[in-house]
Amino acid sequence: AQKITQTQPGMFVQEKEAVTLDCTYDTSDPSYGLFWYKQPSSGEMIFLIYQGSYDQQNATEGRYSLNFQKARKSANLVISASQLGDSAMYFCAMRLNTGTASKLTFGTGTRLQVTL
Amino acid sequence: GAGVSQSPSNKVTEKGKDVELRCDPISGHTALYWYRQRLGQGLEFLIYFQGNSAPDKSGLPSDRFSAERTGESVSTLTIQRTQQEDSAVYLCASSLLAGARVLTFGAGSRLTVL
Repeated sequence: AQKITQTQPGMFVQEKEAVTLDCTYDTSDPSYGLFWYKQPSSGEMIFLIYQGSYDQQNATEGRYSLNFQKARKSANLVISASQLGDSAMYFCAMRLNTGTASKLTFGTGTRLQVTL
Repeated sequence: GAGVSQSPSNKVTEKGKDVELRCDPISGHTALYWYRQRLGQGLEFLIYFQGNSAPDKSGLPSDRFSAERTGESVSTLTIQRTQQEDSAVYLCASSLLAGARVLTFGAGSRLTVL
């Protein structure tokens, strides 16, 4: 069975600084996708970035980049130039490319606080 | 609609009562998912609909939980004889097609069982 581990329950970062949120995963399937979602206090989950297991390059989306280290089974999210609006819960998730389409397995999340 | 709409946003009920939670997906989205988020936890998959059928119900925790989808749009998650451990936020998501990279989530229905 697949598993996602996020070991940082909470993180603080100063505005304009970069921050890395850790995520490790466990699966024996060779084909999978890794996702990061942001959950502000309003509750909805907002998709940030995706990395496929066969992608050669690390994914980037604006200020978000995913540091994908396949051999270490890690998929850390890097947020550059943090903004106050980045304060939220961040969830790492994985989807196997076999079985139920889009069935995501989530980690327990990291709460990020951006300070002045 | 513009986004995924869920109702009620908040529901407080007494142990043993039945509750219904509703999800209105984005118009035209064929795939619909229900997830549960307990306090301080990540999301747990409950059930997936493709059109009106449910190919994967593996996440439903017990036979007290059921869900249906009609007209390839609205879905209802029903919890019978609620227990305190059912207290959670129930999130619905939809996507244009099954296997789409991006799911659009609603804001959730917060259920509190007293």
